[in-house]
Amino acid sequence: GENVEQHPSTLSVQEGDSAVIKCTYSDSASNYFPWYKQELGKGPQLIIDIRSNVGEKKDQRIAVTLNKTAKHFSLHITETQPEDSAVYFCAASINYQLIWGAGTKLIIKP
Amino acid sequence: DVKVTQSSRYLVKRTGEKVFLECVQDMDHENMFWYRQDPGLGLRLIYFSYDVKMKEKGDIPEGYSVSREKKERFSLILESASTNQTSMYLCASRGTGSSGNTIYFGEGSWLTVV
Repeated sequence: GENVEQHPSTLSVQEGDSAVIKCTYSDSASNYFPWYKQELGKGPQLIIDIRSNVGEKKDQRIAVTLNKTAKHFSLHITETQPEDSAVYFCAASINYQLIWGAGTKLIIKP
Repeated sequence: DVKVTQSSRYLVKRTGEKVFLECVQDMDHENMFWYRQDPGLGLRLIYFSYDVKMKEKGDIPEGYSVSREKKERFSLILESASTNQTSMYLCASRGTGSSGNTIYFGEGSWLTVV
């Protein structure tokens, strides 16, 4: 079955710098790749997603890139701000079933 | 806005007790899910439901059961709670059609079994 690996497990960046979180998946049939953000004490919330027919998608300071050949996708956050501190989860989907990465704790240092 | 409400945010139960975690969504979504979240393990699917009275096992169903008597409500049941079920439990829902990929989560229920 599908397996999703997410790295790093913890990422600490200076405020204003960029942050990159990477995920790899095993099943080439996966066709949908969302990213969720979980703030402290809350449930995860969708922040951006990409489908397999697109290589890159951007929404203000966040972007996701997908490399189908290498079977990996990445979340890019530019000009990080304190409110970006959270746990981020990637996922890969086959037939609407989501397989989740283990999560990355992003820490923004002032 | 979609709202998924988990009625209990924090619970402390004794080993062997029967535990009910309730979840209600207000968007008429067909699909509902129960996940367990543990540090370093991400989100693990316990059970999901495609429709009323229908349920499917996820990756870690052992020790749990579910009930979906009404479309908006999905309950997770721990028949006999054990200490290794101490965790954070997340309920989620998802519609079909054009928005069928987005999963909406509740705020989570922190369960401690002593």
